[in-house]
Amino acid sequence: DVKVTQSSRYLVKRTGEKVFLECVQDMDHENMFWYRQDPGLGLRLIYFSYDVKMKEKGDIPEGYSVSREKKERFSLILESASTNQTSMYLCASSLAGEETQYFGPGTRLLVL
Amino acid sequence: AQKITQTQPGMFVQEKEAVTLDCTYDTSDPSYGLFWYKQPSSGEMIFLIYQGSYDQQNATEGRYSLNFQKARKSANLVISASQLGDSAMYFCAMSALLDEKLTFGTGTRLTIIP
Repeated sequence: DVKVTQSSRYLVKRTGEKVFLECVQDMDHENMFWYRQDPGLGLRLIYFSYDVKMKEKGDIPEGYSVSREKKERFSLILESASTNQTSMYLCASSLAGEETQYFGPGTRLLVL
Repeated sequence: AQKITQTQPGMFVQEKEAVTLDCTYDTSDPSYGLFWYKQPSSGEMIFLIYQGSYDQQNATEGRYSLNFQKARKSANLVISASQLGDSAMYFCAMSALLDEKLTFGTGTRLTIIP
């Protein structure tokens, strides 16, 4: 079974803090994705990566950056957290050439 | 651009009844894939079923089936013999073939009543 893990299930940060959300997958997937989920808006793609050190912007990249130094790990960075970044963050991975994505358990981030 | 529409924000269904969750889509891509995911209260998104636009038959996976009507651009999820454990958020999603990115709908919260 594909295993996607995220470093925290719940996180509370203060406005202006730098926040790191970590995602690790153990199935040697090439593709990794970061989404945020908000009520009534569904999931929206923030960034994705097709390979190590490669990243592409999704639909809502503003205020976020990412890092992929190793194939199994994809980090989402909030350089200066703001209250409007309070949300559920979901990481996913998939094999190259396959469309089915496998998700982690999510991180519920609260920015005060 | 792709768009997924789920018009039912919430549904209540009696246990053991069949459930149909609606999903319509819009795309200009000639080939695409359609997905359904389940999200229990724990938060993890669970892949349920996939339908390729080129597939002649509707996809089925156990109690789940996807009622794919290409001309109507609909991809409804049918759950047979609902169970209490089916209570969750359900998301419809699509991708262009070989695009590998998914576009999600806003979800339907399904509650199964004992």
